[in-house]
Amino acid sequence: AQSVTQPDIHITVSEGASLELRCNYSYGATPYLFWYVQSPGQGLQLLLKYFSGDTLVQGIKGFEAEFKRSQSSFNLRKPSVHWSDAAEYFCAVVPPGGGNKLTFGTGTQLKVEL
Amino acid sequence: DTAVSQTPKYLVTQMGNDKSIKCEQNLGHDTMYWYKQDSKKFLKIMFSYNNKELIINETVPNRFSPKSPDKAHLNLHINSLELGDSAVYFCASSQAGDPRGQPQHFGDGTRLSIL
Repeated sequence: AQSVTQPDIHITVSEGASLELRCNYSYGATPYLFWYVQSPGQGLQLLLKYFSGDTLVQGIKGFEAEFKRSQSSFNLRKPSVHWSDAAEYFCAVVPPGGGNKLTFGTGTQLKVEL
Repeated sequence: DTAVSQTPKYLVTQMGNDKSIKCEQNLGHDTMYWYKQDSKKFLKIMFSYNNKELIINETVPNRFSPKSPDKAHLNLHINSLELGDSAVYFCASSQAGDPRGQPQHFGDGTRLSIL
């Protein structure tokens, strides 16, 4: 079945440590790929997106993501996490031929230990 | 200054009532959306309008009726509210066309609680 998967429901990291959040997709062709962040009580904010070209994309707030076609993955990374990064992170795709229809993963909740 | 604004932020009501959530965007976008986020934080699209025309209608009970009086507004009316309607409802907007270049901008959500 076509889907987008975030294997980790919760992740806890220490402030200053590096972070990687996983995202895998299952579609016949490469979808458009996005990462959003949702802070408590807030809406979703776009961190970065990928549709073609350089497989390492830079986003806001010091985040980056790497597209790996062979692994059908689009993992989000940050070299040094700040306490303010604690939030829910969503990987999302627009499937091939899917118009503007965003399909979200189940989210990963990030906790940051001081 | 707010790009996508929703009202109310919180809505507490009883089963069987009818309620509306309003959404307005000042970004000049052509396309607006409603999403539902359940208690497990799962987000799913409900509707999408482009220039006041319905273009996406997921499998949503017909108790939910979106209305777009103009391209800057997309309201959601819900009839005969049920316990399962308790969720956070997000409005979003984007420019029409290729979604690669036009990411969606989200409002802060309306938390609907059914008693």
